[in-house]
Amino acid sequence: GDSVTQKQGQVTLSEDDFLFINCTYSTTTYPTLLWYVQYPGQGPQLLLKVTTANNKGISRGFEATYDKGTTSFHLQKASVQESDSAVYFCALVENYGNEKITFGAGTKLTIKP
Amino acid sequence: NTKITQSPRYLILGRANKSLECEQHLGHNAMYWYKQSAEKPPELMFLYNLKQLIRNETVPSRFIPECPDSSKLLLHISAVDPEDSAVYFCASSPTVSNERLFFGHGTKLSVL
Repeated sequence: GDSVTQKQGQVTLSEDDFLFINCTYSTTTYPTLLWYVQYPGQGPQLLLKVTTANNKGISRGFEATYDKGTTSFHLQKASVQESDSAVYFCALVENYGNEKITFGAGTKLTIKP
Repeated sequence: NTKITQSPRYLILGRANKSLECEQHLGHNAMYWYKQSAEKPPELMFLYNLKQLIRNETVPSRFIPECPDSSKLLLHISAVDPEDSAVYFCASSPTVSNERLFFGHGTKLSVL
């Protein structure tokens, strides 16, 4: 079955640091890849998505590139702010319709002021 | 996010029965119940499309969903177990094929 791997359970950075969160996936097809962000006390919300039609997603200063060769979908941001502190979930969904989203374990990002 | 409202926000139960409620004001066709245990990603429990249950993941029978109309979702829980302690999120999307889910704020269930 499909799976998503996030090996970094926690990441701690200082403001203006560069962010890199690792994500790899395993699937037999070319799904849509997603990053969801969950702020404290809230439900997750879609941050960005990438399909096979466009290789890169960009939103709010975050970007992720769909790399079929390495089956990776890492999340990056050039300069993080304290307000970026949240849990980030990498996820995928197959494009058959009626398919559920497969979430990774999540990476908790803490930004020190 | 006031477009998906859930009640109650917090629930503390012994072995009583209780219902969680959700209403979405987005005009979406698909509605979901997710369970999120501490330090875990959300897990799909149920998916409704146009009031019809179309996905029912492996969920204990003490959880019974209900969709009285296309904007409302209920989750009836009977005789809760300590392993049920989690945050239960309602979510919706325009269609079942849409990757963008809109989540409510969740109901935090604590089982005594």
